[in-house]
Amino acid sequence: GESVGLHLPTLSVQEGDNSIINCAYSNSASDYFIWYKQESGKGPQFIIDIRSNMDKRQGQRVTVLLNKTVKHLSLQIAATQPGDSAVYFCAETYSSNTGKLIFGQGTTLQVKP
Amino acid sequence: GAVVSQHPSWVICKSGTSVKIECRSLDFQATTMFWYRQFPKQSLMLMATSNEGSKATYEQGVEKDKFLINHASLTLSTLTVTSAHPEDSSFYICSASTGLTNEKLFFGSGTQLSVL
Repeated sequence: GESVGLHLPTLSVQEGDNSIINCAYSNSASDYFIWYKQESGKGPQFIIDIRSNMDKRQGQRVTVLLNKTVKHLSLQIAATQPGDSAVYFCAETYSSNTGKLIFGQGTTLQVKP
Repeated sequence: GAVVSQHPSWVICKSGTSVKIECRSLDFQATTMFWYRQFPKQSLMLMATSNEGSKATYEQGVEKDKFLINHASLTLSTLTVTSAHPEDSSFYICSASTGLTNEKLFFGSGTQLSVL
């Protein structure tokens, strides 16, 4: 079946550097994408979302980029901090499938002090 | 933001027993709740969609008689793992939706189930 996948299972960065986490999706019908952060033993925490009619969206220290041509999604974290260490998941859905998310593989972000 | 409460946060049970997990939306009415399972170092896999007042919709490969879902009110959905076995040990997570298109979903804090 179709799925959302991530390229890098683990990303290690130095504190203060920028982080980029990538995601590939395969369902061309998906029109809504979300990035979640999950800390150990906890549920996913919403970070930022983007709809398919946009190619970039910025939040506080985070930016999501969407390239529909190659079905690619990325999460950029500026000035990465130790508190950013977690597993990051992208998820996709489509308008008529409210709330039914398909999650990607997940990337572990390790921030070195 | 909206709060979804999940209880218990962890549970240990003997093989063959049943375990009930609760998912509550604390400050909004959730017409739909979703149940996910997550094994260590893996992603979240959707198990079923729970709609208030109707039968749950299960994903392919999920046994509906083993994972009983009840969504009796707009603020509560329960997942009961019946006749639990060690392979059912996992992290179970719920999320809740008001039913509006493309809204942010809010997740519970998860329940770690360990079956001995």
